[in-house]
Amino acid sequence: NAGVTQTPKFRILKIGQSMTLQCAQDMNHNYMYWYRQDPGMGLKLIYYSVGAGITDKGEVPNGYNVSRSTTEDFPLRLELAAPSQTSVYFCASSYGYTGTGIQPQHFGDGTRLSIL
Amino acid sequence: GENVEQHPSTLSVQEGDSAVIKCTYSDSASNYFPWYKQELGKRPQLIIDIRSNVGEKKDQRIAVTLNKTAKHFSLHITETQPEDSAVYFCAASEAQKLVFGQGTRLTINP
Repeated sequence: NAGVTQTPKFRILKIGQSMTLQCAQDMNHNYMYWYRQDPGMGLKLIYYSVGAGITDKGEVPNGYNVSRSTTEDFPLRLELAAPSQTSVYFCASSYGYTGTGIQPQHFGDGTRLSIL
Repeated sequence: GENVEQHPSTLSVQEGDSAVIKCTYSDSASNYFPWYKQELGKRPQLIIDIRSNVGEKKDQRIAVTLNKTAKHFSLHITETQPEDSAVYFCAASEAQKLVFGQGTRLTINP
């Protein structure tokens, strides 16, 4: 049981390039999330998904796109990378709601992305 | 939407002393409040959480208290150890999401 797996761990992009950050979980979680964490700052929600085929915007969605074709995978796409997107990106997943309420989120190890 | 404020932003305590970090939230509908610990260069890890039907929860040296009326909750770490040095984040639920505080950098001085 690997938990939440993110690839790549590090990446340097040039301004205007595009890339996809991969996130996979093997815990059969329904809910998945993408956050960005700027240096010395908290976590800001980019996009989230409550199940396959369902996605919704978070606090900072501009410049990003997501898809959720399977329960396990939730890739994040950056189109036309900009220096302001330099950050650490974390993917998280959870069971969502159960009888006891919303369940904890479990995080991957992150992708450190620099745009130069 | 939900807004979470966390204080202090930095906290330095002597090894063996207690540390307290406080968070306030704005949405009275929030009913789940987790705390995460993030070591340098690592992922956030859940250390304790509390739901709105409980006022206090304890796990060894860590405890969390919740005051729903005042809309604030706190993390208490007793008998601090060097390995407690990290950034701690509180969060409050907003529907299917979490809203995070800005974090507290805790330093334990030997």
